[in-house]
Amino acid sequence: GAVVSQHPSRVICKSGTSVKIECRSLDFQATTMFWYRQFPKQSLMLMATSNEGSKATYEQGVEKDKFLINHASLTLSTLTVTSAHPEDSSFYICSAELRGVGYNEQFFGPGTRLTVL
Amino acid sequence: AQKVTQAQTEISVVEKEDVTLDCVYETRDTTYYLFWYKQPPSGELVFLIRRNSFDEQNEISGRYSWNFQKSTSSFNFTITASQVVDSAVYFCALSDIYTGANSKLTFGKGITLSVRP
Repeated sequence: GAVVSQHPSRVICKSGTSVKIECRSLDFQATTMFWYRQFPKQSLMLMATSNEGSKATYEQGVEKDKFLINHASLTLSTLTVTSAHPEDSSFYICSAELRGVGYNEQFFGPGTRLTVL
Repeated sequence: AQKVTQAQTEISVVEKEDVTLDCVYETRDTTYYLFWYKQPPSGELVFLIRRNSFDEQNEISGRYSWNFQKSTSSFNFTITASQVVDSAVYFCALSDIYTGANSKLTFGKGITLSVRP
């Protein structure tokens, strides 16, 4: 159980286009999902916290108009990279939070590799 | 502020050698969780262990073992008799306790482990 999927797994786009990445919790409901970005040979950096039915909370330095997050249902959050540029090329990973007694567990998706030409 | 330090960046060993990956953390919280994740070349994060700050018992799971020392704020990971399949990037992470909101994860920079045949 507790499976999180991401779609697409890989995307290549031209500079200036917008790209949407989906994160789904397949067998549980997730009020909260997280979006991370990982540049080559670097760590995962939290970009934003996505809460169902409300606005996302962005980490310092992350442009909210550039990275649009929509958490419209308890099983789906989307990240849209608007007007993508080569510097946005990265590995984007989402996680979905499963609320438990005493601790909320994060389950990670397989990641989406974005290449902007 | 929370911080996770993985001072080793790359480790190379020959198969069957034992290897220890170091993790040092900083937090003002008295209750927190520590994690280790494995990230193989495919990119998907693989959960290895979660440890509550109140539980300082060492843990062994097959060839893997973890040493949690609160006195030195360390949570080290040892692989015994390493295998080529252990080659991956290993991340140590820290999370604050569930407070009714979200449990954010702070990741270390990761250690790239290469196991040579």
